[in-house]
Amino acid sequence: QSALTQPASVSGSPGQSITISCTGTNSDIGGYNYVSWYQQHPGKAPKLMIYDVSNRPSGISNRFSASKSGNTASLTISGLQAEDEADYFCSSYTSSSTLVFGGGTKLTVL
Amino acid sequence: EVQLLDSGGDLVQPGGSLRLSCVVSGFIFNSCAMSWVRQAPGKGLEWVSIISGGGGITYYADSVKGRFTISRDNSRNTLYLQMSSLSAEDTAVYYCAKSPTGYSYSDVNTKILKYYSDSWGQGTLVTVSS
Repeated sequence: QSALTQPASVSGSPGQSITISCTGTNSDIGGYNYVSWYQQHPGKAPKLMIYDVSNRPSGISNRFSASKSGNTASLTISGLQAEDEADYFCSSYTSSSTLVFGGGTKLTVL
Repeated sequence: EVQLLDSGGDLVQPGGSLRLSCVVSGFIFNSCAMSWVRQAPGKGLEWVSIISGGGGITYYADSVKGRFTISRDNSRNTLYLQMSSLSAEDTAVYYCAKSPTGYSYSDVNTKILKYYSDSWGQGTLVTVSS
């Protein structure tokens, strides 16, 4: 199972919005509504930000939103804040009953 | 408060074996699927394995299938990962992670485990080197 494809890096200024894409195949993103997004700060464990394509867990800011179209999922962060600077990983359930992650995107808040 | 405490990481020689543990608290352990996810130094996340709440269903990444075994002791609130035939490519921080209760559906009639993780351990480092 190949990793999902994410841009290596994105950047934005405080207050702006950014979008991170995550591209897979019909066997993962395109086949199921089970895409999740994780935030990871350096040296820390990942933190769930989005599950089942577009649902936010309790306590996650509504500045974080996500969607899916075909084989591509997207995470949008609006009103960028300094604390949003982190690595972001997408993941998807696959037809092989496994989970596949994206390679990760480093978000820099300028 | 949900807590996951992974342990067992160590320096091991190529070809060796190691068992990781994850002791949990703050939730009904046998109601939740549990996973192991690893992260090689400076790299991204890699899913390793998942086990159902009762322990009867397990799945593995192709990269570890036949070498790693996931298991759980619900009486001890503990998740395990037995690793064997280790190689340098297995060097990583290993995280245990908890899924929410319940199931998802791959289609109208097929119930599947929830593969996303809403709580994670702090990670334990496994280094495979001679």
